[in-house]
Amino acid sequence: GQNIDQPTEMTATEGAIVQINCTYQTSGFNGLFWYQQHAGEAPTFLSYNVLDGLEEKGRFSSFLSRSKGYSYLLLKELQMKDSASYLCAVRRGAGSYQLTFGKGTKLSVIP
Amino acid sequence: GAGVSQSPSNKVTEKGKDVELRCDPISGHTALYWYRQRLGQGLEFLIYFQGNSAPDKSGLPSDRFSAERTGESVSTLTIQRTQQEDSAVYLCASPAGGAFGNGYTFGSGTRLTVV
Repeated sequence: GQNIDQPTEMTATEGAIVQINCTYQTSGFNGLFWYQQHAGEAPTFLSYNVLDGLEEKGRFSSFLSRSKGYSYLLLKELQMKDSASYLCAVRRGAGSYQLTFGKGTKLSVIP
Repeated sequence: GAGVSQSPSNKVTEKGKDVELRCDPISGHTALYWYRQRLGQGLEFLIYFQGNSAPDKSGLPSDRFSAERTGESVSTLTIQRTQQEDSAVYLCASPAGGAFGNGYTFGSGTRLTVV
């Protein structure tokens, strides 16, 4: 089967840094995505990694190690509005945009 | 349109009834994806359209589920004889413009409740 694991919940303090980990075991790998999903809303795209290394985009960074089947999303200077679920997703096949999602990590930012 | 539109936003139906969920993707986008998100679960792939054909329908959970797309635009997901386990948010997505690395644009979803 396809396994994508991420912590269920995390709590962090406003202004701090938090790292959300994702490990995957999938048949095929053609890139890893992170999405943000606020309660009751659709997911929105955050980042995409297909090669090993760190991709930085403002306060958010995403890291990938293909040999370890591991990724993390790093959020800096946390703000209250960052409270949301963060979804890790793997694109397995090269022929389509179909993604396999983890169950998501619910992040609560506290004052 | 500029975004992905889904209707209805909420649907409550009685067990055993049929429902139709509609997705109007980003104008001009040939690829369209349906996912569902059950409470406490990750998004599950249902079906993928390229134009009006469905190269991959492997995620449809049973033969009660079907989908079609016409005119390379609107898609309809139909669930026949609904069951309580069909209760979920059904999301439609188009790949965002430009390179694949821009991910999906999702619609706001249809929250289906089977009572």
